[in-house]
Amino acid sequence: DAGITQSPRHKVTETGTPVTLRCHQTENHRYMYWYRQDPGHGLRLIHYSYGVKDTDKGEVSDGYSVSRSKTEDFLLTLESATSSQTSVYFCASSLAGVRASYNEQFFGPGTRLTVL
Amino acid sequence: KNEVEQSPQNLTAQEGEFITINCSYSVGISALHWLQQHPGGGIVSLFMLSSGKKKHGRLIATINIQEKHSSLHITASHPRDSAVYICAVRSYGGSQGNLIFGKGTKLSVKP
Repeated sequence: DAGITQSPRHKVTETGTPVTLRCHQTENHRYMYWYRQDPGHGLRLIHYSYGVKDTDKGEVSDGYSVSRSKTEDFLLTLESATSSQTSVYFCASSLAGVRASYNEQFFGPGTRLTVL
Repeated sequence: KNEVEQSPQNLTAQEGEFITINCSYSVGISALHWLQQHPGGGIVSLFMLSSGKKKHGRLIATINIQEKHSSLHITASHPRDSAVYICAVRSYGGSQGNLIFGKGTKLSVKP
């Protein structure tokens, strides 16, 4: 299994506060992803990165920003958290992008975020 | 309409039963993934398919590109197979980050 960790694993915060979630991988994977998982929805892509300092938006990017200053770290920031951002957040990494013939994604354990 | 539909949403089986989970999609795809989410939340990739069939242990995944349908079969099911099984597709023309995920099928295998 790829070594991919997320921190914190659980967080409770108040509306309007900034929150940063961290994803760390030790596999030297080029691609990293942030997803959110909500009841009644499949996993939805927030942002992804295809290299250091190279990021792009996913389908639910509003209210989120990301940064990737090192290959191993991908940060997700909620500038001003809202209750609608209460969710479970998963980070993933892969050696290649989704268009590659083989692009297994390895997932982190998830972060449960509650915004009160 | 969701681009990726899974059925059933929930499935309860007795240990030893043969299980089938279905995934239908409405977009043209270049590959389909099956993933397993454990009760503790962890997600692992099971298969990636672009045609035909793949087998790993008691798990078999098939895909019919013309019918836009894939199935995941579990033979001789066991309580440790209890999990949520997720189908995801890579559509043609999508960005390098974009998989489209189904909502998952929750499987419970009773001893």
